[in-house]
Amino acid sequence: LAKTTQPISMDSYEGQEVNITCSHNNIATNDYITWYQQFPSQGPRFIIQGYKTKVTNEVASLFIPADRKSSTLSLPRVSLSDTAVYYCLVGDSTGGFKTIFGAGTRLFVKA
Amino acid sequence: EPEVTQTPSHQVTQMGQEVILRCVPISNHLYFYWYRQILGQKVEFLVSFYNNEISEKSEIFDDQFSVERPDGSNFTLKIRSTKLEDSAMYFCASTEGQGKETQYFGPGTRLLVL
Repeated sequence: LAKTTQPISMDSYEGQEVNITCSHNNIATNDYITWYQQFPSQGPRFIIQGYKTKVTNEVASLFIPADRKSSTLSLPRVSLSDTAVYYCLVGDSTGGFKTIFGAGTRLFVKA
Repeated sequence: EPEVTQTPSHQVTQMGQEVILRCVPISNHLYFYWYRQILGQKVEFLVSFYNNEISEKSEIFDDQFSVERPDGSNFTLKIRSTKLEDSAMYFCASTEGQGKETQYFGPGTRLLVL
């Protein structure tokens, strides 16, 4: 399973764009990149998933370079309610999908 | 929107006691998972379950843990003889398919072992 590395924490202000980068140098051909968000005392919540290039949904964008050894989650115009831990996961597209969460990035949005 | 539910939300037990944590996955989902999160630490995978058998398990999931799907809706995690270090938040998750499918997590059960 590919190991991921993310910054431990980030601070931002309301209205700013936040970019969180995840390194996954050992990503395999079958692996997808998935980002989850977790608020205190709640279960993780899916944000976005991608395989290559760029993916955008109503919540975020995910940028994946051609070598796929990293990915960047982009949150446009964050608000106080975006304060949470963000996890980057890399997993196989087949099989039992043993999910490994890293330590995540603790994002703190200030007014 | 369909969601995963878990009961109880909180459980306090004495060391050595058995506990059963319950989960109701999303109805058309086929893959089920348990995770735990010790306070202040990362989410840790315990086990995945499909077609009434374990498909993957972690080193944490030792002989004191077991999972079961006793009927068509519930998915349970049993801890036979709880230890202090089992105190954690336990999350259930489910997916419609395998692999890259989005996992939907429940709200968790906070277990405190005294």
